[in-house]
Parts: sequence; C-alpha cells; structure tokens
Amino acid sequence: QQQVKQSPQSLIVQKGGISIINCAYENTAFDYFPWYQQFPGKGPALLIAIRPDVSEKKEGRFTISFNKSAKQFSLHIMDSQPGDSATYFCAASAGTYKYIFGTGTRLKVLA
Amino acid sequence: KAGVTQTPRYLIKTRGQQVTLSCSPISGHRSVSWYQQTPGQGLQFLFEYFSETQRNKGNFPGRFSGRQFSNSRSEMNVSTLELGDSALYLCASSLSVGSTYEQYFGPGTRLTVT
Repeated sequence: QQQVKQSPQSLIVQKGGISIINCAYENTAFDYFPWYQQFPGKGPALLIAIRPDVSEKKEGRFTISFNKSAKQFSLHIMDSQPGDSATYFCAASAGTYKYIFGTGTRLKVLA
Repeated sequence: KAGVTQTPRYLIKTRGQQVTLSCSPISGHRSVSWYQQTPGQGLQFLFEYFSETQRNKGNFPGRFSGRQFSNSRSEMNVSTLELGDSALYLCASSLSVGSTYEQYFGPGTRLTVT
C-alpha cells in the first residue's frame, strides 16, 4: 500500500510533442505529490507539486493532472525539447517528508 | 542562495569499513532527509532529522545511522559496509514550516563498496 507505481519506464518523444508520465497510488493518506527531474550525475530537482484538493496545476510547460477518485496523477510536458531529456520521478507523502518515489521514467526527446 | 551541498561527492570503501557522509542544507532550512538511490531499488527514504532529532525513519538496518547538528548540518554513517550499500546517497533539505513538504536535493555522494 506504500507503493507508487510509475509508467512508462521509458519514453521517446519528438521535439515539440507532449510527454505524458503516469503514476498511481493506493494509500489514501497521501496528501502531497511532487514530480522531480534528474539529469545524469545530478540530484533530483523539484519540478512541480500538487495536493489532492486541486485537479490540475500548471507551471510553464509542465502540468500535473490529478484524479483523486482513481488515485492517479500524471505529468504532462508540453512542447517537449531535447533539453527535457532526463529521468522523471513522481513521489507521494502523507503529511511528512518521507517521500515514496515511483520507479522513474527515462524520457528522450528527439531533435 | 546556495543549494544543498554534500561531501564528499565520491567515495570508495572496502567491505567491512564504515563511512560518514556530510550534508549542509539550504540556509534557513531546518529539516534534512537522506535517501539511497540504486538502479535496482530506486529512491528509498532512510531518515529525516529536524532540530537535531530523528523525526522519521525508513526500513533500513541499524548499520545506517544519522545525526543533525545545531546548525542543521547533518551526517549519515554506515557501519560494516556491504557490497549492496554501493549507491548514490542523497540529502534533501526543507524549510519545515506550515504544511508545505517541498524538499530540495543535493547532488549526492556516490559510494562504491569493493
């Protein structure tokens, strides 16, 4: 019940396309859902986060969609660029700083 | 404002040895968490410290320990190293104010156990 399931494992998108990464959870106590971007040799960088009282949050080209009843949330990267090529992690926490991370999605954006 | 800093960045140790990793949080941040990242297990929570007290703990053996100092800097220690402890160890800091749970990660310490 503590797991966060992330898909797909890898994703190839053409430049200018939309990248979509999905996560699902079981624990209804989770109340904070961040997304992180990680480049090789670097630590994860916080991209955007959402709470379950909001169905969508947008920051620049990054949008989180949240479906509380389905216990799913997704990251959409609009107008994907080669510089977006990285590994993306979703995470969830239940009122603490103990994050449960998804397994990661390796995104490659073709020029 | 400077980000989270971790030292050393790379470390090679032998099985059975012990190791201490250091983390300096973002100025003003009072909570420090540690995570282990491996290709097989992904990112796993080790523990979180706030005001020099361990506030939360993950499912790791007692060989993994940590502490936090009065200036919020934190160290983690791994004793009796095993080959499986080879990983990227990440430190994350947070303001720990109100109901925001944003964490900012450092670059990590790459530990190799031979």
